[in-house]
Amino acid sequence: QKEVEQNSGPLSVPEGAIASLNCTYSDRGSQSFFWYRQYSGKSPELIMFIYSNGDKEDGRFTAQLNKASQYVSLLIRDSQPSDSATYLCAVDKIKAAGNKLTFGGGTRVLVKP
Amino acid sequence: SAVISQKPSRDICQRGTSLTIQCQVDSQVTMMFWYRQQPGQSLTLIATANQGSEATYESGFVIDKFPISRPNLTFSTLTVSNMSPEDSSIYLCSVDTSSGAYNEQFFGPGTRLTVL
Repeated sequence: QKEVEQNSGPLSVPEGAIASLNCTYSDRGSQSFFWYRQYSGKSPELIMFIYSNGDKEDGRFTAQLNKASQYVSLLIRDSQPSDSATYLCAVDKIKAAGNKLTFGGGTRVLVKP
Repeated sequence: SAVISQKPSRDICQRGTSLTIQCQVDSQVTMMFWYRQQPGQSLTLIATANQGSEATYESGFVIDKFPISRPNLTFSTLTVSNMSPEDSSIYLCSVDTSSGAYNEQFFGPGTRLTVL
């Protein structure tokens, strides 16, 4: 079992719709959860992080965390063609336990005008 | 966040040679990291580079193949030694800029390496 799993996609959504991306992780010791956006040929860009169960909203993005189910998701509202990218889920422990971001394989999102 | 630069941005190298990649940050950071992203794949951590100590390598990566230097709090280098075509990847450095209990890593632009 992979440590961090994502559906590779592509996830095709019409412009203006909600894109829903899912991520599951296997290490119950994981404490911090990140979503990175990576455009083709570019490096990953941190767009959201969440540490506590529940929802966290930032603009059109909402991250949702359920530690009991070992599940984190990202919602993109009002999807735009510029949101077309690969979204990488990453998990980590707290600093005191050491730094090690573990990445999922990424979900490719295609927003169609 | 921080402004991170990498040199070179890309290179084409011959088998058996070595390439040193530089990572420069515009502020002092404790933790710097080196990742590899092979074509069509996600990111894999190579090693963690702390100033004043030897780098900590992940399983599958060894110092002889990927020597790392961290001479100060704003700079690090990764050398890819005795290259083979399997080393063709994007190499990324990242830094943790957070001062809280949780890490927040930001990535440099990457170095695209092709080995012939």
